[in-house]
Amino acid sequence: SNELTQTPSVSVSPGQTATITCSGDKLGEKYASWYQQRPGQAPILVIYQDDKRPSGIPERFSGSNSGNTATLTISGTQSMDEADYYCQAWDSGTAWVFGGGTKLTVL
Amino acid sequence: EVQLVESGGGLVKPGGSLRLSCAASGFTFSTSYMNWVRQAPGKGLEWVSYISYGSNYIYYAESVKGRFTVSRDNAKNSLYLQMNSLRGDDTAVYYCARVPAVPSAGGGYMDVWGMGTTVTVSS
Repeated sequence: SNELTQTPSVSVSPGQTATITCSGDKLGEKYASWYQQRPGQAPILVIYQDDKRPSGIPERFSGSNSGNTATLTISGTQSMDEADYYCQAWDSGTAWVFGGGTKLTVL
Repeated sequence: EVQLVESGGGLVKPGGSLRLSCAASGFTFSTSYMNWVRQAPGKGLEWVSYISYGSNYIYYAESVKGRFTVSRDNAKNSLYLQMNSLRGDDTAVYYCARVPAVPSAGGGYMDVWGMGTTVTVSS
């Protein structure tokens, strides 16, 4: 299957660690990327190639990918991190596939 | 400043056509791979189409294959999406996005996105 599955919503208190997961068949054998999308705005790349951060993305964002699960971790979560997060992977058979998205709420 | 600006969205009747444009600036468009991605109201992201820098490799999502055509004019730093036989489920915000490298060589992600243009298909 080429589907990527994300938990629809995650809640976290300010300053705590948020963990957002993305599962898919043999996902660990592909590169995973993560995008942040605030309401009414375009997506922003926050993690690429499993664990790399683009320039300008805070160090509190980190990623990992192994087995069937990719994980986005936000350490010391801030209110500005409240957004939808999408995982995405590519392979030669299905091209670009996105997860359904996770709404992160910072309470 | 690296920038992508989409245009051409609007209201169109089912069965109609629309051509979207994406103007690139601040980077070398002629050597950049590009994607179109869409987002239906209240829904997630959906990849639509890919075009390599020389237009040699073009791919489409199954949902638009045979109806949409992607093209580019490197001399004008512009990307296009011709959309025909539009249906209600094509209603979405359409984003153009840069693919930083050959997808099979680790470049299967999008590092620059435009703000999007809205397409509404309704009678």
